[in-house]
Amino acid sequence: DIPVTQSPSSLSASVGDRVSITCRAAETISTYLNWYQQKSGRAPRLLIYGSSSLQSGVPSRFSGRGSGTEFTLTISGVQPEDFATYYCQQTYSSPGTFGQGTRLETK
Amino acid sequence: QLQLQESGSGLVKPSQTLSLTCAVSGGSIASGSHSWSWIRQPPGKGLESIGTIHQSGSTYYNPSLKSRVSISMDRAKNRFSLNLTSVTATDTAVYYCARTSVGYSVLDVWGPGTTVTVSS
Repeated sequence: DIPVTQSPSSLSASVGDRVSITCRAAETISTYLNWYQQKSGRAPRLLIYGSSSLQSGVPSRFSGRGSGTEFTLTISGVQPEDFATYYCQQTYSSPGTFGQGTRLETK
Repeated sequence: QLQLQESGSGLVKPSQTLSLTCAVSGGSIASGSHSWSWIRQPPGKGLESIGTIHQSGSTYYNPSLKSRVSISMDRAKNRFSLNLTSVTATDTAVYYCARTSVGYSVLDVWGPGTTVTVSS
């Protein structure tokens, strides 16, 4: 397994804020890093794959960057529907491992 | 569009076998080069990969569960299944099935999930 660590574990923001979440892999994973959004009681939803590619249908306020061991998910202008938990996942090696999650809450 | 739906026993006794099925609609599990995966999420916790089956039938299991897990595919019924043997309370979770796409092996289509509780 390649452990991945997310920070922070929780984040408070207001509508319109710009927020960033970091994911660090224990060893280099190139750009094999994906981001998911999960709302309470729902299945996760793919947002970003390959570190920076936006999944079809995902708003452009979501962006990702990074390579190697450090990655960032940024939401530029948080909207009410963005308050949720976000997970990163490395798929460089099997099994794909997830970060522990970052909960985005209303300030 | 492609949809996945989990089904199976919601309550399993300790030491017994958990069995779930994922029905796929809007597409064939045998077409393309996708794989099909199971993921679980214990109450209040994060996500854990269980295993994957390729449309060719080859499988990969999380080493932490490998001795207890099997995933199979029924092409005729367009579904795939999960069996987890010798369950304990730590196997209580929401179980999701998902399509795994080529390239970055992303989980791009998910089922809604099904809750499985292990209890006597």
